Amino acid sequence: GQQLNQSPQSMFIQEGEDVSMNCTSSSIFNTWLWYKQDPGEGPVLLIALYKAGELTSNGRLTAQFGITRKDSFLNISASIPSDVGIYFCAGLNSGYALNFGKGTSLLVTP
Amino acid sequence: GAVVSQHPSWVICKSGTSVKIECRSLDFQATTMFWYRQFPKQSLMLMATSNEGSKATYEQGVEKDKFLINHASLTLSTLTVTSAHPEDSSFYICSARHRSNEKLFFGSGTQLSVL
Repeated sequence: GQQLNQSPQSMFIQEGEDVSMNCTSSSIFNTWLWYKQDPGEGPVLLIALYKAGELTSNGRLTAQFGITRKDSFLNISASIPSDVGIYFCAGLNSGYALNFGKGTSLLVTP
Repeated sequence: GAVVSQHPSWVICKSGTSVKIECRSLDFQATTMFWYRQFPKQSLMLMATSNEGSKATYEQGVEKDKFLINHASLTLSTLTVTSAHPEDSSFYICSARHRSNEKLFFGSGTQLSVL
């Protein structure tokens, strides 16, 4: 599978700040997904995007499916310490496995 | 919600032994299960795709004789790491595709350490 380009690789921010991360691909995907992974755990789905241009929120999280279908971004507003973790984007085409980004490691200081 | 149970959560074994990891979809049937491997501070890399009742499809570079996958039912897939070596130490994660809605659900992972 193809690995996606995810940036930034890591972020170190203060509690209350907003965070933005993005993912790009050379291929088109029908679905973009954002996951969070805590140490020693499997990834947990945060947001799923199914249509180009779609903007979806889940609490303080907002994600968008790029118009070209080759990119997506995730924003976290007013970060809190429990937002710490690794965030992965993933692209999916029907019938195939997920293609993951390399992850963005987020550290939030109180 | 749909739950995927992965067992064991961690295992330590001696070099040369075999280890079996189970992945169960507890409250749904899974047409397809995926096995991933994740090395420290890296992303999840797909190892193989298995469909119930048929042979698994392995990604390039993954030895099918070393990583045996059995998908005998719509709720259970197993990954056996045969003759494990220290370089096989990794975090292994399964994912199951829901038969009805085709959504993907992840297990909680298995940390394998080979001494």
